Amino acid sequence: QVQLVESGGGVVQPARSLRLSCTVSGFTFSHYAMHWVRQAPGKELEWVAIISSDGSDQHYADSVKGRFTISRDNSKNTVSLRISSLRAEDTADYYCARDGGLAVANGDFYFDYWGQGTRVTVSS
Amino acid sequence: SYELTQPPSVSVSPGQTARITCSGDALPIQYAHWYQQKPGQAPILVIYKDSERPSGIPERFSGSSSGTTGTLTITGVQAEDEADYYCQSADRSGTSGVFGGGTKLTVL
Repeated sequence: QVQLVESGGGVVQPARSLRLSCTVSGFTFSHYAMHWVRQAPGKELEWVAIISSDGSDQHYADSVKGRFTISRDNSKNTVSLRISSLRAEDTADYYCARDGGLAVANGDFYFDYWGQGTRVTVSS
Repeated sequence: SYELTQPPSVSVSPGQTARITCSGDALPIQYAHWYQQKPGQAPILVIYKDSERPSGIPERFSGSSSGTTGTLTITGVQAEDEADYYCQSADRSGTSGVFGGGTKLTVL
């Protein structure tokens, strides 16, 4: 069955960097675009970033552009999110999610499978 | 930036029909998708591409879209349907995702 497992969250000081990872199984990873979505405590979902199925194209929400970098390794079935210059407002649960478009390189922009999330807390 | 607007809350009695709307200027050219999220859990896709239902989602969940408004309909609401529901779409360029603010469905 399809599984997505995030890791790398924790308590981090402001201005530091952090790398989140998502390891997937149960489907052909290289056939799907992948996303990161976050949710601050008690708040709504916020789309963060997408990476195309072959990793050649990435797009980001305006709120994170310039500080977040999404990448993937199709040989390891892993998608990552590097967050630099962490701010208090980055405190959230971070979910990786599979794009619902099979063989749609740049994604159909909906999320058919989600991981359970990894929590990032930015605090001194 | 592009926004989707949902009502903050909807309340219905068991067995009634719940309708949750989502408004956005790009919805005439972009699909609306819907997610259910219960406390402490990851979201689950319940409707995609305006009206398609993923396997395993009960038939009481349906979706529609007209002009700038998408609608999630739950027919014969059950207590287990109490949750937050989010609509989601893409901007006009199709390179950025966006979620609505979420609607808390309360089953009275």
